[in-house]
Amino acid sequence: EVQLVESGGGLAQPGRSLRLSCTASGFNFADRAVSWVRQAPGKGLEWVGFIRPNAYGGTTEFAASVRGRFSISRDDSKSIAYLEMNSLKTEDTAMYYCGRDFQTGGWYGFSDLWGQGTQITVSS
Amino acid sequence: DTVMTQSPDSLAVSLGEWATINCKSSQSLLYSVTNKNYLAWYQQKPGQPPKLLIYWASTRESGVPDRFSGSGSGTDFTLTISGLQAEDVAVYYCQQYLFTPYTFGQGTKLEVK
Repeated sequence: EVQLVESGGGLAQPGRSLRLSCTASGFNFADRAVSWVRQAPGKGLEWVGFIRPNAYGGTTEFAASVRGRFSISRDDSKSIAYLEMNSLKTEDTAMYYCGRDFQTGGWYGFSDLWGQGTQITVSS
Repeated sequence: DTVMTQSPDSLAVSLGEWATINCKSSQSLLYSVTNKNYLAWYQQKPGQPPKLLIYWASTRESGVPDRFSGSGSGTDFTLTISGLQAEDVAVYYCQQYLFTPYTFGQGTKLEVK
């Protein structure tokens, strides 16, 4: 089955770190860029960042709100993308979704497949 | 950053009628090299992830009913639902993917009148 599954969510204290995983199955993960998008309770979608395929350097881009605190990496041998979140703030509380880029062997920047999300709550 | 502004914030339409959602970008999304507009539309229902409806501003994703259509170019775009169905009740988002950071509009909540 073609799918993405996020994991690693939970409760974290402000200032602490958390790592989310996005596990892919049913398609060639290495060929696809992966995006992370979040949604605070009752709010809209916020683009967080993405990682290009390793064939394109595996480079990353981030929203200003998380740049310098969050990082994204990928392990194509395991078909997993990671979102490493450091120096967490209460405003990082959200549902986090990973998305598969539409383009095979490159990237466009929009996603045609999403996971069901994992909830992060940052609170003391 | 590229700011995406949707209008209206919410919309109530009768079943079978047309619904129109607008999206305005703070800079042109038409890339001259490809002559494409880097604009996507998503539908999100409660408790679900987003679902891709439209990309390149007007190309319908596979499996999306043809009552959904996208139009526009440059900075002004429209999502039209012709003949609203009950299952179309959702929040709709536009997203630009020409400039990083890629950004979403604030969303438009569509309800049945």
